[in-house]
Amino acid sequence: DTGVSQNPRHKITKRGQNVTFRCDPISEHNRLYWYRQTLGQGPEFLTYFQNEAQLEKSRLLSDRFSAERPKGSFSTLEIQRTEQGDSAMYLCASSLNYSSGGLVGELFFGEGSRLTVL
Amino acid sequence: GNSVTQMEGPVTLSEEAFLTINCTYTATGYPSLFWYVQYPGEGLQLLLKATKADDKGSNKGFEATYRKETTSFHLEKGSVQVSDSAVYFCALKGFQKLVFGTGTRLLVSP
Repeated sequence: DTGVSQNPRHKITKRGQNVTFRCDPISEHNRLYWYRQTLGQGPEFLTYFQNEAQLEKSRLLSDRFSAERPKGSFSTLEIQRTEQGDSAMYLCASSLNYSSGGLVGELFFGEGSRLTVL
Repeated sequence: GNSVTQMEGPVTLSEEAFLTINCTYTATGYPSLFWYVQYPGEGLQLLLKATKADDKGSNKGFEATYRKETTSFHLEKGSVQVSDSAVYFCALKGFQKLVFGTGTRLLVSP
């Protein structure tokens, strides 16, 4: 399967613990996005990378959230000192930017990592 | 800022019925517009798009026309199938990222 892969698919943790999610994008894609989706809502932008550079972070993203994309391949999203309000589905998506031949707005999403904070 | 408003669901239809899911947007300039679909147990996938006013996007029997005068991008299908049951998200492309609506669940019964 050459789609976007996310792990783990489901994580249950206690409040105050740290969690890390991993995303493996489609191999030739230079852009990688993280979104968060809560029940009954659409995906909400968190951050994105072009290659290894993190180019934008949502102002809604607290300091407890950090994302990395070393070497411009896979990415990790870490949440420190989790709170119950962090419970959500965390979505990763990848794409090619337009100048590399990508189509405008065409993001390829993984199936998501569901976080439950008790 | 940029935002998308979709009609609330669920939308419940019988097979072969006509479908409309309303979507309106607020944006500076003229953004590209999209419909994404999420089938049960799968990730979101692009259904169709339109990049400028009066463009019509189409795919799998679904259509949507970019209406600048009404800031709308309504999704339509002439005859839905059970396999179309999914959650549909309208989205616009802001600077470098997509902004999504809240999604509309479609349930099609045989």
